[in-house]
Amino acid sequence: QQQVKQSPQSLIVQKGGISIINCAYENTAFDYFPWYQQFPGKGPALLIAIRPDVSEKKEGRFTISFNKSAKQFSLHIMDSQPGDSATYFCAASKGAGNNRKLIWGLGTSLAVNP
Amino acid sequence: DTEVTQTPKHLVMGMTNKKSLKCEQHMGHRAMYWYKQKAKKPPELMFVYSYEKLSINESVPSRFSPECPNSSLLNLHLHALQPEDSALYLCASSQEVDRNQPQHFGDGTRLSIL
Repeated sequence: QQQVKQSPQSLIVQKGGISIINCAYENTAFDYFPWYQQFPGKGPALLIAIRPDVSEKKEGRFTISFNKSAKQFSLHIMDSQPGDSATYFCAASKGAGNNRKLIWGLGTSLAVNP
Repeated sequence: DTEVTQTPKHLVMGMTNKKSLKCEQHMGHRAMYWYKQKAKKPPELMFVYSYEKLSINESVPSRFSPECPNSSLLNLHLHALQPEDSALYLCASSQEVDRNQPQHFGDGTRLSIL
């Protein structure tokens, strides 16, 4: 059972457009929600992260919106560029002490057309 | 440039071989992780080390044997692997396991089992 559900699986956006990727979770024990970006041949890199006491966080063109009551969070990429073409993973963190770990969504492959 | 260095970048081995993957970080992080990633899938957690002690083993087969010789180094010893073990093996580190600190990933070792 997928604990973090991510959609869409793939996304094509025109240059300058807005890319939106959505994630949903059920377990209210999750308390940290990062987004990772992965280019082909590279490891994932943290893009932006949010805690559930914040409804929105913005870093440059990237914004996370968080809806605690709906147990949903989303990534918005404004003014999407061809260089944003990558796979994006949402994740959620839970666990106590040294048992803490990330639970990953299945990923979204984003292609930004020039 | 990634701050987590993994060697080798590529490895081809037979099912009877013994090889090791190496990971190094000099960020002073005390948590280190091994992940396995199949194509178009999210990273799958294998092992977590906290302060050089194994804290999480995600029921990984014994043909994978992790080792953390010191706070900067993480090894993954491989023996008698199966073709289905072919994947990208990612190492990551974070300040500590029990804090919501970002995980920094290396670019992985691409492993092919013949």
